[in-house]
Amino acid sequence: NAGVTQTPKFQVLKTGQSMTLQCAQDMNHNSMYWYRQDPGMGLRLIYYSASEGTTDKGEVPNGYNVSRLNKREFSLRLESAAPSQTSVYFCASSEAGPMFYEQYFGPGTRLTVT
Amino acid sequence: QKEVEQNSGPLSVPEGAIASLNCTYSDRGSQSFFWYRQYSGKSPELIMSIYSNGDKEDGRFTAQLNKASQYVSLLIRDSQPSDSATYLCASNTGFQKLVFGTGTRLLVSP
Repeated sequence: NAGVTQTPKFQVLKTGQSMTLQCAQDMNHNSMYWYRQDPGMGLRLIYYSASEGTTDKGEVPNGYNVSRLNKREFSLRLESAAPSQTSVYFCASSEAGPMFYEQYFGPGTRLTVT
Repeated sequence: QKEVEQNSGPLSVPEGAIASLNCTYSDRGSQSFFWYRQYSGKSPELIMSIYSNGDKEDGRFTAQLNKASQYVSLLIRDSQPSDSATYLCASNTGFQKLVFGTGTRLLVSP
């Protein structure tokens, strides 16, 4: 099992360019998440998908769009990149347990916007 | 705003000692709590989850939960230099979402 995979690992964009970050999981999880991590800010939720066919905004959704392509794949799109979107992006997935929702993370994408 | 608070550290302990990491949370409705370890430049790795008051042990790790005090802790016994990392505390806020603290950096010196 690969777990959660993300592509690309690194990306440099110019302001105004667009790109899509890809995420896939092979754990048959229903829920998937996109986070960004900035120094001193911790992990902040951008968007999540509780199940195939649904998506919801998290704490910092502005400037991003998502697509839950199928149960395995959840992509994050930056339509017009801004320097403030320079960050490390993590995808995660989880399956609901009886009381808790353990999330498992992918390796991350390090994005720089110049 | 539901929050999870951690001391940013660094917490420095000698090899072989017990490292004690602490976390407080604001949402009394939180039911589940998680500790993640994150090495520099890597992704968070789940190491413990706890949802009942009391202690939960797994190898050298013990998670402690006190819902009355809204307090979660992680004890690492026989600390090793390889335990040096940032430890993130998270709580479940409902709707399958977690809120994370900013992490405590742990340094274990040989």
